[in-house]
Amino acid sequence: ETGVTQTPRHLVMGMTNKKSLKCEQHLGHNAMYWYKQSAKKPLELMFVYSLEERVENNSVPSRFSPECPNSSHLFLHLHTLQPEDSALYLCASSPRLAGGRIDTQYFGPGTRLTVL
Amino acid sequence: AQRVTQPEKLLSVFKGAPVELKCNYSYSGSPELFWYVQYSRQRLQLLLRHISRESIKGFTADLNKGETSFHLKKPFAQEEDSAMYYCALTRAGSGNTPLVFGKGTRLSVIA
Repeated sequence: ETGVTQTPRHLVMGMTNKKSLKCEQHLGHNAMYWYKQSAKKPLELMFVYSLEERVENNSVPSRFSPECPNSSHLFLHLHTLQPEDSALYLCASSPRLAGGRIDTQYFGPGTRLTVL
Repeated sequence: AQRVTQPEKLLSVFKGAPVELKCNYSYSGSPELFWYVQYSRQRLQLLLRHISRESIKGFTADLNKGETSFHLKKPFAQEEDSAMYYCALTRAGSGNTPLVFGKGTRLSVIA
């Protein structure tokens, strides 16, 4: 699979578990994003990384911890989640670093997370 | 504050009928608007962006700054157009500014 990939595609976890979501992009992009897609809410931006540095954190609870070891990989570490955190978590990437016109964001297929 | 409003949660039309998916936005600066589409069991993907002024799969969208709208239109709906459509906004000309999405409208085209 090319483009933006996410693993696992489905995850069921208990509230005391620790798990991680992985995103990988094969597009040579410099920026990566985590979004949350809940059934009853708009797509919510969670984190933005540009050249492996976090540039935005949209008031996300600390039980979500992102990590960007390099420009191709993005992780979302999960710890002591709540049932209301059940959602589709989407990763996206875009080419440009900063300045100039806006670049299109390319989305992965998402990880469907269920917290029991 | 940036806000994108899609007033219709669900829109059902007959095949061959015209389609208009509404999108209104609120933004104090100069916006760039997008439409994203998610077909069943597929990933979210870009449909079109207002700066491109192009028609994709028969869809067009015109940015109306006076009405702060970016409605998505297609003259003749097809069954394969059935999907979830998201309107999104970002700040124009500022690089990697993330998108603000509306809640989405589910389009159902009935044969």
